[in-house]
Amino acid sequence: ETGVTQSPTHLIKTRGQQVTLRCSSQSGHNTVSWYQQALGQGPQFIFQYYREEENGRGNFPPRFSGLQFPNYSSELNVNALELDDSALYLCAYHARRGVDTQYFGPGTRLTVL
Amino acid sequence: RKEVEQDPGPFNVPEGATVAFNCTYSNSASQSFFWYRQDCRKEPKLLMSVYSSGNEDGRFTAQLNRASQYISLLIRDSKLSDSATYLCVVTLGGGGATNKLIFGTGTLLAVQP
Repeated sequence: ETGVTQSPTHLIKTRGQQVTLRCSSQSGHNTVSWYQQALGQGPQFIFQYYREEENGRGNFPPRFSGLQFPNYSSELNVNALELDDSALYLCAYHARRGVDTQYFGPGTRLTVL
Repeated sequence: RKEVEQDPGPFNVPEGATVAFNCTYSNSASQSFFWYRQDCRKEPKLLMSVYSSGNEDGRFTAQLNRASQYISLLIRDSKLSDSATYLCVVTLGGGGATNKLIFGTGTLLAVQP
């Protein structure tokens, strides 16, 4: 399919805990974006990484942070989890920098109790 | 006002019907336009890009009206397999974080046998 993988598939955490979600692409594309999709909503942009640097951020608090590694895989970290953080977290690799087409991974479904 | 607005539906149609989805966007600087399809509990998948000249892919036709800031998707001869949520997406283009995808909330289509 898209060659984008995410782990874990599902995760259950409690309020106040921290979580790390992972994303990688077989294709070696160097730009990755993360999105949060709450139930019944469209995905919302969290941030984007290009060549290991954050390259733009949506309206999310600093407890949402990320990393991109030299192999272009990426992590999303969320500290001090809140109930409203329960959502599907999607990463997407850009076909190439400056091109708007993005290919999504299958997502990680996070439940915060 | 939301950046991208869609009728959430659901649209319940019989097999073989023609169905049309509409979407409006608020930022006149938007440059790229897409329809994504999302199956239940899956990731969004690119259905088609949308151009001012209109474009067609089999049973699917997309249209963009920049003056009215309006995007449409027409599905002819609906199949059971078309049942999904259809997400209207725009970007500001220009590379970097400005090519984040801005999603509508999606329109749910249920094709009935």
